[in-house]
Amino acid sequence: EAGVVQSPRYKIIEKKQPVAFWCNPISGHNTLYWYLQNLGQGPELLIRYENEEAVDDSQLPKDRFSAERLKGVDSTLKIQPAELGDSAVYLCASSSEAGGVGEQFFGPGTRLTVL
Amino acid sequence: QKEVEQNSGPLSVPEGAIASLNCTYSDRGSQSFFWYRQYSGKSPELIMFIYSNGDKEDGRFTAQLNKASQYVSLLIRDSQPSDSATYLCAVNGGLGGADGLTFGKGTHLIIQP
Repeated sequence: EAGVVQSPRYKIIEKKQPVAFWCNPISGHNTLYWYLQNLGQGPELLIRYENEEAVDDSQLPKDRFSAERLKGVDSTLKIQPAELGDSAVYLCASSSEAGGVGEQFFGPGTRLTVL
Repeated sequence: QKEVEQNSGPLSVPEGAIASLNCTYSDRGSQSFFWYRQYSGKSPELIMFIYSNGDKEDGRFTAQLNKASQYVSLLIRDSQPSDSATYLCAVNGGLGGADGLTFGKGTHLIIQP
């Protein structure tokens, strides 16, 4: 079974530029998460999707961040404009709706560097 | 706001010994508890989950949960150098378990050969 796929793996941009990250969850997983992980910290939830609906985006900085999950499968996370403090690893995770204990599977992440 | 606390370490343990990792959480309504292992530069991978008080064993790993004390631990028996990593404690408060996880900062474990 293929795991969670993310691209790109690495991205270097200048501040004020836009950037987008893409995630393809495990087949059949209806729940998709975007996390942000800073160095030396645990992942922090940005947004959670149930199918195509964003059911928890309370931690998403909506002035510059946006996300979508068209058709309830792939998802895109966008930052516009990027700031120096956005440099981090952006992780996508998915879980099956009937997961019970909520096991989440993480993708390899996208490491963003903002110069 | 939910909080998950871990000692950041590093925790140094000789090879073959038992490594004990601890975690406390603030939300009494938390339902599910997870231990993830994260190697440097890699994404977290699930080691164990537990949602009932007591112990749960899986190979060399034992998770322990005490909801009254809001305390979760992970024991690694016969520690190996390959166990050297950061261990993240995560807590899920949602019914059905599909909420986002609240992670601790992680404990950096070093197994000394």
